[in-house]
Amino acid sequence: KAGVTQTPRYLIKTRGQQVTLSCSPISGHRSVSWYQQTPGQGLQFLFEYFSETQRNKGNFPGRFSGRQFSNSRSEMNVSTLELGDSALYLCASSFAPTGGWTNEKLFFGSGTQLSVL
Amino acid sequence: AQTVTQSQPEMSVQEAETVTLSCTYDTSESNYYLFWYKQPPSRQMILVIRQEAYKQQNATENRFSVNFQKAAKSFSLKISDSQLGDTAMYFCAFMNRDDKIIFGKGTRLHILP
Repeated sequence: KAGVTQTPRYLIKTRGQQVTLSCSPISGHRSVSWYQQTPGQGLQFLFEYFSETQRNKGNFPGRFSGRQFSNSRSEMNVSTLELGDSALYLCASSFAPTGGWTNEKLFFGSGTQLSVL
Repeated sequence: AQTVTQSQPEMSVQEAETVTLSCTYDTSESNYYLFWYKQPPSRQMILVIRQEAYKQQNATENRFSVNFQKAAKSFSLKISDSQLGDTAMYFCAFMNRDDKIIFGKGTRLHILP
């Protein structure tokens, strides 16, 4: 079974631009979560999608948005990039059993390293 | 608000030794999950071990075990017979019933040959 796939691996953008990152979860997984990882702040939760609906949201400005498609693939978008958005963006998927804990086992991708110049 | 604290930013141990990574957390909830995730240089986070708070018995996965002290809100990870491949960043994490996961800042572990 293929793992969680994130594209692209590396991205360089300039301030003010927008960017879209993609995440393909493991086949059969219904939940996709996004995290931002920086040396100073560590791993911070961005949002989670389940069956095309946003289930949870972290404390990030509205410039950060996401969506999930019917095949569970997810994208996140950052508009009007700022220097502080430079980070590793990690996507994780989980099976999300009915009635169980959705994220009791997360499978992560290798991330997209975003550099904003 | 829940918080997760890892007090050891960096540690080094010799191969084959045993090492313990510390983690404390703060919550008012009675049931939750605790995790240790490993992030090697490849950047891909991997689940090492997990513990549901209702379960009294400490979780064990091969060379990895935890010491879960619910009253003290402590969740340490013990790695026995450490191997070079254990070199990585280790993150302690907490999850409550709304499935939001909060990560600690991490402990960078170096296994020395």
